[in-house]
This record gives sequence, C-alpha cells and structure tokens, in this order.
Amino acid sequence: DADVTQTPRNRITKTGKRIMLECSQTKGHDRMYWYRQDPGLGLRLIYYSFDVKDINKGEISDGYSVSRQAQAKFSLSLESAIPNQTALYFCATSDSRLGANVLTFGAGSRLTVL
Amino acid sequence: QKEVEQDPGPLSVPEGAIVSLNCTYSNSAFQYFMWYRQYSRKGPELLMYTYSSGNKEDGRFTAQVDKSSKYISLFIRDSQPSDSATYLCAMSGVSGGSNYKLTFGKGTLLTVNP
Repeated sequence: DADVTQTPRNRITKTGKRIMLECSQTKGHDRMYWYRQDPGLGLRLIYYSFDVKDINKGEISDGYSVSRQAQAKFSLSLESAIPNQTALYFCATSDSRLGANVLTFGAGSRLTVL
Repeated sequence: QKEVEQDPGPLSVPEGAIVSLNCTYSNSAFQYFMWYRQYSRKGPELLMYTYSSGNKEDGRFTAQVDKSSKYISLFIRDSQPSDSATYLCAMSGVSGGSNYKLTFGKGTLLTVNP
C-alpha cells in the first residue's frame, strides 16, 4: 500500500458543488500539506498542518478549507467549486524531526470542474 | 524576481547523454536544496538533497550547489529512457526558521530518446 493515499484519484464535478479530497498516510509524519499543480504554474501550497491542532494557510487558500481529523488524515474541501479550481491536487507529508523538510507526496487527485 | 527560477524546457536528449538541469534562486536563507522527479500522472518523488554548498552523488545522479552564485544543478550521466520525467528543484531554510517551507521551481520536462 502507498505511504500517502489520496482519494478520489479522479473527479469530475459541476460548478457550485461541494467537493472533498481525502488524504491518509502511514508514514507516521506529523506535518501534512495540500498542493495544487497547474501547467506553467508549478506546485502551489494551499494549506499545511504541523499537527492536529495547527492548521495554516498557504499561498492560495481562498476557496478552500481543510480538516485534520487525526495525525494520519488531512482532507481538503472546495465548498463551491469553480472551473479555475480544475487542477491536479497533491497531498504531502513530512517529518519535523528531520532537519530537511523532505516531502512525501501522494499520487494526486485530478479534479475537473465543469 | 521569483524566489526560484527553473527553465521549463522541454529538453530532449539521446540515450547515453549527460543531462544538466539547473535552478537559480534569490533567497540567501535557503540551506536545503532538493531535486524531485515526477513521472507523468504520478506524484513527485525525492531524488536527492544537499545541505548548504557542495556536491552529492548517487549513482548516475550528481547534485551541485553554488551558494555564492545562488545556482544549483542536477547532472544525469548515461541518461536512460526511464529518466524521462519532469524534474523539480525545491529549496528551504532550516526547520523551525521562517523559511522552512519548500519553495519549488516549475519543473523541467526531460525526454531521453532511445
């Protein structure tokens, strides 16, 4: 099984719908992240969480919310999806005990908003 | 000026060629320098990272950091078709500091032709 599991892997939805992307990890890492990747724009940080009680906005948090249900689970919600949220979304984890902030990524969730 | 600049390519080389991938950066607080590889429809995976200046070698891959020039490189020797992927540079400050979050380049698409 993958260390970082994202569900769903692919989702097509309509404008205005609420969408949740889920992430779970077996790495035992304390830090979790949500990124989106767009052609020509690279990876951009949406939200990050250093532990269950610590959630922080990234560079592009507008239109998104997150929930850290447990150390191993971090979900991303789009309350009312819009077409420009069509992107590839990645969950990632890291271990704060390491000096380097090395991220382990999931396989990605491809979201299409029509 | 963006914090991290990376030529998006695409870069196409014949099998066996030496490949050089590069990034420049502007934030002098960066201390960790990483290279991720991302295959199509997959999440990025860490190739290697270095701390501060110097070289690091791992098999056919060599990472170099020149902090005086704010320039990092990844060299791939004897390139193989299986090396065809997008290569992302990423960098951060030290854990606990204000620059601990990873800043990614936009990635360079590499194709190695048989």
